[in-house]
Amino acid sequence: KAGVTQTPRYLIKTRGQQVTLSCSPISGHRSVSWYQQTPGQGLQFLFEYFSETQRNKGNFPGRFSGRQFSNSRSEMNVSTLELGDSALYLCASSLTGVGTDTQYFGPGTRLTVL
Amino acid sequence: GQSLEQPSEVTAVEGAIVQMNCTYQTSGFYGLSWYQQHDGGAPTFLSYNALDGLEETGRFSSFLSRSDSYGYLLLQELQMKDSASYFCAVRTTDSWGKLQFGAGTQVVVTP
Repeated sequence: KAGVTQTPRYLIKTRGQQVTLSCSPISGHRSVSWYQQTPGQGLQFLFEYFSETQRNKGNFPGRFSGRQFSNSRSEMNVSTLELGDSALYLCASSLTGVGTDTQYFGPGTRLTVL
Repeated sequence: GQSLEQPSEVTAVEGAIVQMNCTYQTSGFYGLSWYQQHDGGAPTFLSYNALDGLEETGRFSSFLSRSDSYGYLLLQELQMKDSASYFCAVRTTDSWGKLQFGAGTQVVVTP
């Protein structure tokens, strides 16, 4: 079974621009979660989607948004990019996102904001 | 609040055994997970403890004690490829799709 895939793998943007990242979960997984990873803050939860609905949200500003499609693929968008948004953005999928479900991570998108 | 504490770094030689602790303060969680992450890579799932006790998978073992709010990951027969960061994580019972991660322990394996 194919793993979680993310595109693009690398992105370079300038301040003020916006960016859209894509995530395709493992087949059959309906929960997709997004995380931001930085050296200073570690792995921080952004939000989670299940059946096209956002069920949970972390403590990030409204510039960070996402959505999920009927095939469970998910996108996240960051508008008005800031230097501090430079990070590795990881998505993870699981069957239901609750209980003892294991989350499996994609390779990440490395975003650099200049 | 919820927090997971891990030592920042552990150094050991090839062939040795290393134990990484994870102490937590959280109310109600389903279990303790462990992930491995190499530099520049994605976190890879290693082990999960839903119940107290020891889980073994090859050279890796993980332990959980809910009464002590404590868990650990044990790596045996260390290999150079085990040099990586190791994160403990929990999913709380009031949270969908969110894993709360510790800051991670960087394991450095020396020849």
